[in-house]
Amino acid sequence: EVQLVESGGGLVQPGGSLRLSCAASGFSFGNYWMSWVRQTPGQGLEWVANIKQDGSERYYVKSVKGRFIISRDNAKNSLYLQLNTLRVEDTAVYYCVREPGSPRYCGDYGCYYLDFWGQGTLVTVSS
Amino acid sequence: DIQMTQSPSTLSASVGDRVTITCRASLYINNWLAWYQHKPGKAPKLLIYKASALESGVPSRFSGSGSGREFTLTINSLQPDDFATYYCQHYNSYSKTFGQGTKVEIK
Repeated sequence: EVQLVESGGGLVQPGGSLRLSCAASGFSFGNYWMSWVRQTPGQGLEWVANIKQDGSERYYVKSVKGRFIISRDNAKNSLYLQLNTLRVEDTAVYYCVREPGSPRYCGDYGCYYLDFWGQGTLVTVSS
Repeated sequence: DIQMTQSPSTLSASVGDRVTITCRASLYINNWLAWYQHKPGKAPKLLIYKASALESGVPSRFSGSGSGREFTLTINSLQPDDFATYYCQHYNSYSKTFGQGTKVEIK
């Protein structure tokens, strides 16, 4: 059974940092692009970042570029998101998400959709 | 950037109804359009990819169609488990863009 379990969320002050983790199981983690997607309070979904299977390529939405860092450890079947210089508007539930494994559904910058989601971890940025 | 606009924002329906949700792109897009179902406190779930391909395990009452700039998600014979928020999503360049969501409520 595919499972993605996020952890590391919490309350942090503006300007602070936090590291989110995602433990993957039930599939060959190292064969998949992985993403983080967030949902801000009362708002919809926003794709945040993704990372290639071997970690050699990473892409970010403009609003987090230079502040967030996505990484992975394939030996530990784990995905991470380092959140730095946090702003109030970064308050959201952050989801760890798998991209499809078939190359026909993927391009140069990742895959065309997201096929499995974790339950999310809440990050609250407030003074 | 291509914007994805869903309509309606909220939809009230009864069990057994046929429901249609529309997603419009601000520019012509290819058919890399996906639909997700999201319930509060739960993980979002992929329903449809490539505009009309049904994800494995998703009930056949869900269907997707469309091309160019306009796409639709149809739920035939709405079931109690289907009351949720639905999002469309498009892949463009290196980014994935979501619509703002359509909440399907009990009438």
